[in-house]
Amino acid sequence: GEDVEQSLFLSVREGDSSVINCTYTDSSSTYLYWYKQEPGAGLQLLTYIFSNMDMKQDQRLTVLLNKKDKHLSLRIADTQTGDSAIYFCAEGDTGRRALTFGSGTRLQVQP
Amino acid sequence: DTAVSQTPKYLVTQMGNDKSIKCEQNLGHDTMYWYKQDSKKFLKIMFSYNNKELIINETVPNRFSPKSPDKAHLNLHINSLELGDSAVYFCASRGGFGGVREQYFGPGTRLTVT
Repeated sequence: GEDVEQSLFLSVREGDSSVINCTYTDSSSTYLYWYKQEPGAGLQLLTYIFSNMDMKQDQRLTVLLNKKDKHLSLRIADTQTGDSAIYFCAEGDTGRRALTFGSGTRLQVQP
Repeated sequence: DTAVSQTPKYLVTQMGNDKSIKCEQNLGHDTMYWYKQDSKKFLKIMFSYNNKELIINETVPNRFSPKSPDKAHLNLHINSLELGDSAVYFCASRGGFGGVREQYFGPGTRLTVT
């Protein structure tokens, strides 16, 4: 079955870059997503990448996809304290199946 | 103008009780989901409905029963609540077919069983 794995915790200093990594197993994944969850809140889609792309940039966010290794990463440039949250990667298809989420990476930004 | 709303936001109840959580989306989406997030933040799909039809039913105790009266609503009824049911339950919706089809999440319902 599908499996998505992430490291659980990352701590960076304000202004540094953060890189959050994710690996997945389902080669039929069509889209890979990054969601952000702030304390006490729901999940908010940050960005996504189509499986035939290898990079996507969106302002401070850069997503890299290595489809051969089934490795996805999210880079946040100039990390701010407001970026402190849990970041989930997820994989899905274009059909009706639910997303499969990783365990989430808690990003802590030190001032 | 909330896209996906859930009620209640917090629910504290005793073991053995029966409770319901309601979800509504005003996005015109045809697919709705219930996810459970445990204390370690793991998110797992429980159920999915498409146009009022159950399409995903993961290994969930049959004390949990989803109901979709129309495609804008998906409610979750839980019988004989147990301590292990304590979690945050998220409703989500997704529209169309094909393309990126982002899932929109509700704010969550934090259920505490004492």
